[in-house]
Amino acid sequence: DADVTQTPRNRITKTGKRIMLECSQTKGHDRMYWYRQDPGLGLQLIYYSFDVKDINKGEISDGYSVSRQAQAKFSLSLESAIPNQTALYFCATSDGPRTGGADTQYFGPGTRLTVL
Amino acid sequence: GQQLNQSPQSMFIQEGEDVSMNCTSSSIFNTWLWYKQEPGEGPVLLIALYKAGELTSNGRLTAQFGITRKDSFLNISASIPSDVGIYFCAGSWWGDKIIFGKGTRLHILP
Repeated sequence: DADVTQTPRNRITKTGKRIMLECSQTKGHDRMYWYRQDPGLGLQLIYYSFDVKDINKGEISDGYSVSRQAQAKFSLSLESAIPNQTALYFCATSDGPRTGGADTQYFGPGTRLTVL
Repeated sequence: GQQLNQSPQSMFIQEGEDVSMNCTSSSIFNTWLWYKQEPGEGPVLLIALYKAGELTSNGRLTAQFGITRKDSFLNISASIPSDVGIYFCAGSWWGDKIIFGKGTRLHILP
């Protein structure tokens, strides 16, 4: 079974609808992240959480919100979806920095969201 | 803020050729990471570098942490069709958030 799972894998919705993307992990990691990927723009950080009580905005948080329901679950919401939020969304987890270095992130398979 | 410049943006090579791509940063990192993303999948970690000057291999892949701490490169030797994908560099400073490059899309011609 995959360590990081995302649901749904694909979603088509209409402008103005509320959408929730879910992420679950079985790696036991404290840190979880949500990224957005657009062609040619790489990975842009939306929100991240270093533990259950910690939520932080990333580079492009406007129009998004998150909820860290448990150590293993981190959901991303689009309160009122708009077409330019059409993108590939990735969840990632990490266990914090190893001594002297950065933590290594493990990615889920992604959710392809289309907003019409 | 910190920025990563990854080049080239895309590459078209013949099967069997060697590949080289690199990343430069506007500031110092103490960790460099290289990821590969295949179509329909999330990025997967290939190589992690934790020390300036470090040279690390993973099969046909070799990556180096630049001496200045502001750059890193990834080489792929004797490319094969399954090397196709997007390669991302990423860096961070002492456990801070990881910054990703925009990726190098590798295409392999038969």
